[in-house]
Amino acid sequence: SAVISQKPSRDICQRGTSLTIQCQVDSQVTMMFWYRQQPGQSLTLIATANQGSEATYESGFVIDKFPISRPNLTFSTLTVSNMSPEDSSIYLCSVRGEGTIYEQFFGPGTRLTVL
Amino acid sequence: AQSVAQPEDQVNVAEGNPLTVKCTYSVSGNPYLFWYVQYPNRGLQFLLKYITGDNLVKGSYGFEAEFNKSQTSFHLKKPSALVSDSALYFCAVRDFGAGSYQLTFGKGTKLSVIP
Repeated sequence: SAVISQKPSRDICQRGTSLTIQCQVDSQVTMMFWYRQQPGQSLTLIATANQGSEATYESGFVIDKFPISRPNLTFSTLTVSNMSPEDSSIYLCSVRGEGTIYEQFFGPGTRLTVL
Repeated sequence: AQSVAQPEDQVNVAEGNPLTVKCTYSVSGNPYLFWYVQYPNRGLQFLLKYITGDNLVKGSYGFEAEFNKSQTSFHLKKPSALVSDSALYFCAVRDFGAGSYQLTFGKGTKLSVIP
C-alpha cells in the first residue's frame, strides 16, 4: 500500500482567495487523482494527474478553477482558485497502487471552509 | 456509464449483532467492486475488493462482502458488530470493460453500532 500525506489538513479561507493543497506519497506512483467530498455527499473525481502530462479534468471541473501540478512521481498540488462558499469541501488525494491495477489509496483529506 | 447505489443513508445495529450494508451497481462490462470506510475527520480506508473468483471476499477488521452477479449486488457484512465499526461506508465500482481507471462511489451509508 501507499502512504499519502496532505497539507494543510484543514483551512478556513476568505471568499475570492486561493488555496494550494499538497499531496505527498511515500513511493513513486504513475496515477494520482484528486477528489472532492462536499458536506454529506459522496466523492466526486475532479481530475487525474499523471506525471509529465496535463491533468485530465472531469465534466464540471476546469483547469482555471482547479489547476493541478504533478512535477514528479511522488508529489502533486491542487489549487482551488477564486474560492466561494460552495467550494467548502473535503479535498482528497488518491493514488493507484503500483503493481496492482485494482486498488486506490487515499490521503487523509484537506477540510476547506470558505467564508 | 457506471453507477453505484447505496439505498440506505443510515444503518443502526446493536453491538454483537450481525450487520449488512447494501450496495448495488451498474456497469457495461465486468465490475471491479470495492468497499471503503471513512472515520470522522479521516480519509478513506480500503476494506476489501472483488475482482474475480470466489464470490465471498474477506477483508480488514472482520468484514466480508458477497458478490452476486444476477442481482448486481455487493453487500458488506460482518457477523458481530463492534461499536468501533461506527463510521461512513462507501461502495465503489470500476468498469473493467470500459478500460477506465475511474472509480465511481456510492453516496455512502452511515453505520451506527449501539452499545
